[in-house]
Amino acid sequence: EIVLTQSPGTLSLSPGEGATLSCRASESVSSRYLAWYQQKPGQAPRLLMYGASNRATGIPDRFSGSGSGTDFTLTISRLEPEDFAVYYCQHYGSSPLHTFGQGTKVEMK
Amino acid sequence: QVQLQQWGAGLLKPSETLSLTCGVFGGSFSGYYWNWIRQSPEKGLEWIAEINHSGSTIYNPSLKSRATISVDTSKNQFSLKLTSVTAADTAVYYCGGLRSCSSGSCHFWFDPWGQGTLVTVSS
Repeated sequence: EIVLTQSPGTLSLSPGEGATLSCRASESVSSRYLAWYQQKPGQAPRLLMYGASNRATGIPDRFSGSGSGTDFTLTISRLEPEDFAVYYCQHYGSSPLHTFGQGTKVEMK
Repeated sequence: QVQLQQWGAGLLKPSETLSLTCGVFGGSFSGYYWNWIRQSPEKGLEWIAEINHSGSTIYNPSLKSRATISVDTSKNQFSLKLTSVTAADTAVYYCGGLRSCSSGSCHFWFDPWGQGTLVTVSS
């Protein structure tokens, strides 16, 4: 089973600042199989990035994704008030078919 | 655009069977793999099972003995049953779609998601 470890657990930032979120896999994975989601309280997760670096429909270009192998990064260039949320990475694999990281909370300082 | 709406009982007693259904609206039912995912403070997001329109299934080994995912193509719905629930099964349950491969392009991510159903197991 591939384990996804996200860091940090919490980021305390101000609007306008940049955010860098990490997702580390327990073994090398294909970037094709790595996605990121945003979740706000009381809502379902929302797809942000797929294939590690492709923005989903309607996602603003202040969000970008990168990485390969075991290390993947979600970057938010300038935080807007609506970006304060919890972010999860997800991997499509073998068994179990899908795994998620434990999440990074981006909170307003 | 495909949208999902889910429903089912939200309060169960230990040993009862959880039953949830997800309706698919506005798109191709056969063009997706349909999934159930749950979220709890203890375990975070946990994938439960997947089914396609033909009824082929894949389960998370940790839940396989208790979970059954099924599909009703006549109603564009799919369902989850989880037997012998305990307090550890208390979670928000989501249905989710993952687009099937088409023209050599495959999707490995969940989009769309249902709105979520809080299921509480308590005596």
